[in-house]
Amino acid sequence: GNSVTQMEGPVTLSEEAFLTINCTYTATGYPSLFWYVQYPGEGLQLLLKATKADDKGSNKGFEATYRKETTSFHLEKGSVQVSDSAVYFCALSETWAGANSKLTFGKGITLSVRP
Amino acid sequence: DTAVSQTPKYLVTQMGNDKSIKCEQNLGHDTMYWYKQDSKKFLKIMFSYNNKELIINETVPNRFSPKSPDKAHLNLHINSLELGDSAVYFCASSQDRREWGYTFGSGTRLTVV
Repeated sequence: GNSVTQMEGPVTLSEEAFLTINCTYTATGYPSLFWYVQYPGEGLQLLLKATKADDKGSNKGFEATYRKETTSFHLEKGSVQVSDSAVYFCALSETWAGANSKLTFGKGITLSVRP
Repeated sequence: DTAVSQTPKYLVTQMGNDKSIKCEQNLGHDTMYWYKQDSKKFLKIMFSYNNKELIINETVPNRFSPKSPDKAHLNLHINSLELGDSAVYFCASSQDRREWGYTFGSGTRLTVV
């Protein structure tokens, strides 16, 4: 079945540091890939997405590139802020569209940014 | 306007009780979901409904029964609550296109004591 593997956390960085959060996946066909963010006490928000190989998703200074050859979708940000402290989830949606599609999530990683 | 709204936000109850969580979406989406997030933040799908029809049921105990009176609502009823049911339950909705992702509610934190 489909699966998403995220690097182990938590991650603690100083403000303005460079961020990389690794994500690899296993899926049949060509899934869509997503990063979701969960701020403390809130639900999940879509951060960015990519729907085919070599697509780059970007939002709020975050970027991730869909790499089919390495089955990866690593999240990066050049300069993190305290407000980026949250839990980050990598996810994939199965190849076929329709009502049977579901999002499969990685375990999530907690990011804490120090002032 | 809240796109996906869940009630209640917090629910504390005793073992053995029966409780319900309600979810409504005003996005016009065709499919709605329930996800469970455990204490380690791991998210696992429980159910999905498409136009009031049950599509996904992921080996959830029979004590959990979803109900969808129309495509804008998906409620979750839980019988005979157990300590292990304590978690955050998220409702979500989507259109039937895999690349559009989901819109999540803000969650219901259920604590069974």
